[in-house]
Amino acid sequence: NAGVMQNPRHLVRRRGQEARLRCSPVKGHSHVYWYRQLPEEGLKFMVYLQKENIIDESGMPKERFSAEFPKEGPSILRIQQVVRGDSAAYFCASSPEGAGETQYFGPGTRLLVL
Amino acid sequence: QKEVEQNSGPLSVPEGAIASLNCTYSDRVSQSFFWYRQYSGKSPELIMSIYSNGDKEDGRFTAQLNKASQYVSLLIRDSQPSDSATYLCAVNMARTGRRALTFGSGTRLQVQP
Repeated sequence: NAGVMQNPRHLVRRRGQEARLRCSPVKGHSHVYWYRQLPEEGLKFMVYLQKENIIDESGMPKERFSAEFPKEGPSILRIQQVVRGDSAAYFCASSPEGAGETQYFGPGTRLLVL
Repeated sequence: QKEVEQNSGPLSVPEGAIASLNCTYSDRVSQSFFWYRQYSGKSPELIMSIYSNGDKEDGRFTAQLNKASQYVSLLIRDSQPSDSATYLCAVNMARTGRRALTFGSGTRLQVQP
């Protein structure tokens, strides 16, 4: 019974490069959330998606960040032209349909921007 | 005022004692509350959810919710060194109409052997 899967677990990028983070939700879960955790800080909501739809992106920076959850395949969080301030742990969570807001987290992707 | 507030700690308790972790939230109409445990360098792990006023028990863990006081707590009985971690309080902010969780900054618990 696989949980939420994220890859890569660690990602190193130089300033100006693109970072692509992938998330496969728990099988049967149709809701995906992305959160960011800066060093020594709490988790901050970024975006909430269902299959092929962005439901709420109020926590995502307006520039350089985008997310998708296609009909087939994992959810992708893309960060273009990364800067050092993007260095953080990015967590994906998923929840099933009709189960309230209980969310189960993946292992995260630690992004380091040099 | 932060939307979800926790004392950052560290909260230090001896092994076998009861650890009490507290959380207050600003949105009076919030309906869903969660406690997560996060070990250093790891992802948050769901411990418990609570939706109604009162207590909810699961093994050594008890969550307490008081909506009138906008307060939720987590009690850990018979604390073990393996309970040493950061405990995150999370709230679904009903006023925003969204499913996302708003997290507190976490309380670091240290259980002394």
